[in-house]
Amino acid sequence: DAKTTQPPSMDCAEGRAANLPCNHSTISGNEYVYWYRQIHSQGPQYIIHGLKNNETNEMASLIITEDRKSSTLILPHATLRDTAVYYCIVRVGSKSTFGDGTTLTVKP
Amino acid sequence: DTAVSQTPKYLVTQMGNDKSIKCEQNLGHDTMYWYKQDSKKFLKIMFSYNNKELIINETVPNRFSPKSPDKAHLNLHINSLELGDSAVYFCASSQDSKGNKQPQHFGDGTRLSIL
Repeated sequence: DAKTTQPPSMDCAEGRAANLPCNHSTISGNEYVYWYRQIHSQGPQYIIHGLKNNETNEMASLIITEDRKSSTLILPHATLRDTAVYYCIVRVGSKSTFGDGTTLTVKP
Repeated sequence: DTAVSQTPKYLVTQMGNDKSIKCEQNLGHDTMYWYKQDSKKFLKIMFSYNNKELIINETVPNRFSPKSPDKAHLNLHINSLELGDSAVYFCASSQDSKGNKQPQHFGDGTRLSIL
């Protein structure tokens, strides 16, 4: 699986948009980009995924660059409950390789 | 209803013992997984089963033996527990092992502590 690179930590003000970047420069054509988050002491929670088109659901939006070498997860109106570790994963088949993730802290 | 449930939530035991962790999913998924999250919070896949057949085995010591009696259950048995086995173990499931489109759903983890 392709490796991903994320900043180790980010802060965001409550109510503002949180933009979490991810680099996956070695991604191959059939690998999807997945985002999960892990809130302290809980299991990872699926957020969103995409192949090459931008995606939006009730939780977030995913913007994938045209060359697919990077992506951005957008939480449009961050709340305190969005404080978590966010993992960007590229995946083919059933194997998901988690990296170190980005610790997002939403501040009041 | 809990989608992926693991038991026990906490497990404290002595080195050398044998223990099992159970996992059940009620999502109708055909693929289940075990992950290990160590003290540095690094989450690593251990095993994956599709319809009761092993499809991923990530160089895990053979003291760890997964067992899938049916596609809704994937248990993890650990023999001769060692201090380094202390970690949080997560069970997960997804619909299709070959397709990329189905996300994994995780349980809340089993916190294993070896004394």
